Amino acid sequence: DAGVTQSPTHLIKTRGQQVTLRCSPKSGHDTVSWYQQALGQGPQFIFQYYEEEERQRGNFPDRFSGHQFPNYSSELNVNALLLGDSALYLCASSDGPTHTEAFFGQGTRLTVV
Amino acid sequence: RKEVEQDPGPFNVPEGATVAFNCTYSNSASQSFFWYRQDCRKEPKLLMSVYSSGNEDGRFTAQLNRASQYISLLIRDSKLSDSATYLCVVNMGQGGKLIFGQGTELSVKP
Repeated sequence: DAGVTQSPTHLIKTRGQQVTLRCSPKSGHDTVSWYQQALGQGPQFIFQYYEEEERQRGNFPDRFSGHQFPNYSSELNVNALLLGDSALYLCASSDGPTHTEAFFGQGTRLTVV
Repeated sequence: RKEVEQDPGPFNVPEGATVAFNCTYSNSASQSFFWYRQDCRKEPKLLMSVYSSGNEDGRFTAQLNRASQYISLLIRDSKLSDSATYLCVVNMGQGGKLIFGQGTELSVKP
C-alpha cells in the first residue's frame, strides 16, 4: 500500500521563475493538503483540495495556487518565486476534508537562488 | 501571538531520562490536538492524539488542559531513537487544517 508520494524530492529554481510540485495521496484518501516548512519552523498550512476544489486556504499570497485531479493527485504551483519561498513543501492526505489524521509525504525541498 | 507555541529547545538528555514538552494554544475554540514527531529532514509522523482525559502509549503520555489551553507530552525512559523534533498540533474543527507549533528538538545522548 503506497503512502503519500511527492515529486521531485529536491529542486533548485531562480528568483522569478515558476515551479510545480506534485503529490499522490495515500491509497483510499481523497483529500490533499499542502504545507510549507521553513528551516527551524513548523509546517504552515497553504491550502486543502477535495473534490477537485480548494476548500480551505491559509495565509499565502495568490502566487501559490493548486489543482486536484480526478484521481485525487494534486499539484502545487508557485509563480514569481522569491528567495523566501525556499522551504520544504509537504503534502498530506486524509480520508475526507474534515478528517484530521493526516499522512505526510517525504516533501519537496525547494531552493530559490 | 503565535497560534501554537512551544519551547524550541534543544533538550539534551541522557538515555533513561524523563523529559516533558509543553505547548500552549491561543484559540479556545480548538477542537483536536496531536503530537507529531519529525526526524531530521523527514516528514512529520503522527505520534499520538491528545484527549482531555489524558492518554498513554507505552513510554509516552499526553495531557490536555482546555481551561489553561495547554498540552503536554511526557517521555519516560528516553531512548537514543527518541531523538527528533516533536511538533504540537491543533485543529480548529473547521476542516482538516492543522496548525503546528515550531517544534521542540530532543537529543538523547548515551
